[in-house]
Amino acid sequence: GDSVTQMEGPVTLSEEAFLTINCTYTATGYPSLFWYVQYPGEGLQLLLKATKADDKGSNKGFEATYRKETTSFHLEKGSVQVSDSAVYFCALSDGATNKLIFGTGTLLAVQP
Amino acid sequence: EPEVTQTPSHQVTQMGQEVILRCVPISNHLYFYWYRQILGQKVEFLVSFYNNEISEKSEIFDDQFSVERPDGSNFTLKIRSTKLEDSAMYFCASSVTASNQPQHFGDGTRLSIL
Repeated sequence: GDSVTQMEGPVTLSEEAFLTINCTYTATGYPSLFWYVQYPGEGLQLLLKATKADDKGSNKGFEATYRKETTSFHLEKGSVQVSDSAVYFCALSDGATNKLIFGTGTLLAVQP
Repeated sequence: EPEVTQTPSHQVTQMGQEVILRCVPISNHLYFYWYRQILGQKVEFLVSFYNNEISEKSEIFDDQFSVERPDGSNFTLKIRSTKLEDSAMYFCASSVTASNQPQHFGDGTRLSIL
């Protein structure tokens, strides 16, 4: 079945460092891909999305490009802030049912 | 910005009791979902709901579970005869349509079974 494999954490970075969180997927069809973020004590918030190959999703300085050839959707940010500390989830949904399949989540801790 | 709201934020229940978790989806959304996250594990899909029917359910969603939209605004998850392993964070989500549209999540209900 469809699945998402995500870089294990925790990831600890200093403020202004470059961030990459790796995400790869397995899917039989043409899924849409998402990054969700969960701040402490809160629910899941959509960070960005891409619905077809070569699409780039972006929001709040974060970017991810849908790479069909490598089945990847890596999350990047050029300069992280302390306020970016959270758990980041990569997810996919197929077109048929729209249920989300999540990766395990990656805890990001940014230190001042 | 409209949001999905869930109540209660924390529910503590004795094993064997029934619990009802409540959600108010975003008002113009038509598709509703429940997910759960056992501590330290992945967020897992439980069920999707559209037009007053279950659209899809996972293997987890057995006869112990049921969902209902009792009125025009609420969407509930009922868990009968709770077990220790039902302890988890339960998230409600909604989306406008089902075609690869982003789902909007509530803050979750932490369910603790004693």
